[in-house]
Amino acid sequence: EVQLVASGGTLVQPGGSLRLSCVASGFTFNKYWMNWVRQAPGKGLEWVANIKQDGSEKYYVDSMKGRFTISRDNAKNSLYLQMNSLRAEDTAVYYCARDLPGASCVDVWGQGTTVTVSS
Amino acid sequence: EIVMTQSPATLSVSPGERATLSCRASQSVSSNLAWYQQKPGQPFRLLIYGASTRATGIPARFSGSGSGTEFTLTISSLQSEDFAVYYCQHYKNWPRTFGQGTKVEVK
Repeated sequence: EVQLVASGGTLVQPGGSLRLSCVASGFTFNKYWMNWVRQAPGKGLEWVANIKQDGSEKYYVDSMKGRFTISRDNAKNSLYLQMNSLRAEDTAVYYCARDLPGASCVDVWGQGTTVTVSS
Repeated sequence: EIVMTQSPATLSVSPGERATLSCRASQSVSSNLAWYQQKPGQPFRLLIYGASTRATGIPARFSGSGSGTEFTLTISSLQSEDFAVYYCQHYKNWPRTFGQGTKVEVK
């Protein structure tokens, strides 16, 4: 079964840091672009970042550029999101997501991990 | 950044009826458009990509149409499991952006 399991979400103070992880199973991880997408409470969806199969290309939404870093470890079938200088507006459910080959949309979503930024 | 606008925000439909959801892009995205379904407690589900191609395992009652800036998701005969929130998303360029969603509820 194809599966993405995200973890690492928790309550963190403004200005703090957090690292999210996502473990993939059931498919050949190193053949896919991977993404982080978030959904703030009661709000719509927002792309965070994505990363090429070998990690050589990374893209970030402007509001997160310089604060967030996406990375992957293909040997561990794992995707990461390092988040620094966290703000209240970063509070959201963060989803790990796999790109559909040949189309830059997501065909497999994880269940999400919740990040709450609050003092 | 391309802005995606969905309408209506909420659509009230009776089971068995047809539902038509709209998505508009602020500039042309060609056919680089996907639709997703979100149900509470479940992962998002890809329904349509390339504006009109059904994803693997998606029932034929779901269909997508449009190109450029105007797109439609049609559910031909609503089943109980189809009541959910639907999002469109473009992938013409970076950043990929989503519409704000249409909630399909029971009338």
